[in-house]
Amino acid sequence: GQNIDQPTEMTATEGAIVQINCTYQTSGFNGLFWYQQHAGEAPTFLSYNVLDGLEEKGRFSSFLSRSKGYSYLLLKELQMKDSASYLCAVRDSNYQLIWGAGTKLIIKP
Amino acid sequence: IAGITQAPTSQILAAGRRMTLRCTQDMRHNAMYWYRQDLGLGLRLIHYSNTAGTTGKGEVPDGYSVSRANTDDFPLTLASAVPSQTSVYFCASSEVAASTDTQYFGPGTRLTVL
Repeated sequence: GQNIDQPTEMTATEGAIVQINCTYQTSGFNGLFWYQQHAGEAPTFLSYNVLDGLEEKGRFSSFLSRSKGYSYLLLKELQMKDSASYLCAVRDSNYQLIWGAGTKLIIKP
Repeated sequence: IAGITQAPTSQILAAGRRMTLRCTQDMRHNAMYWYRQDLGLGLRLIHYSNTAGTTGKGEVPDGYSVSRANTDDFPLTLASAVPSQTSVYFCASSEVAASTDTQYFGPGTRLTVL
């Protein structure tokens, strides 16, 4: 079966750095996405990786290792507004997105 | 530009009733999707449409139907609602159903079936 695993919840301090991990087992791989979802709102796109390595976009970076079935999202200089759920999704061989359950990130002052 | 709109925002429905959730996008995207989101589970694909006039089944299609008569609209119908269909429903769209393509989501419909 297809499976995306990510921690259910993480807590971090304002101004710090946090790494959210995602491991996946899917039928085929056509890219990995990270989305941010604030409570009661729609998911919004953060990043996309299809090749191994690090993609940096401002305070957010995303890393992919296809051989290990592993990705992480790195958030630097955390702000209170970063409190949200972070969703990992993999596009499989049918070009459908398979979603993890999300990681709820709590930022404390 | 509104992006993607969904209606209603929320709904309480008696079991056995028929319900259509509406979704409209103004980005001229070819592909559209319906997901449900339940606590502790990832988004699950119900139905999708790669282009107007075509539809396909996702991971959890039973009890739901869709149509795609034009590019902009992609309604989701529950023919006879059951309590297990209580969920938050998100409509999404993407320019094409390709590997690099990003999906954009509507604000969601919170549906409660009693």
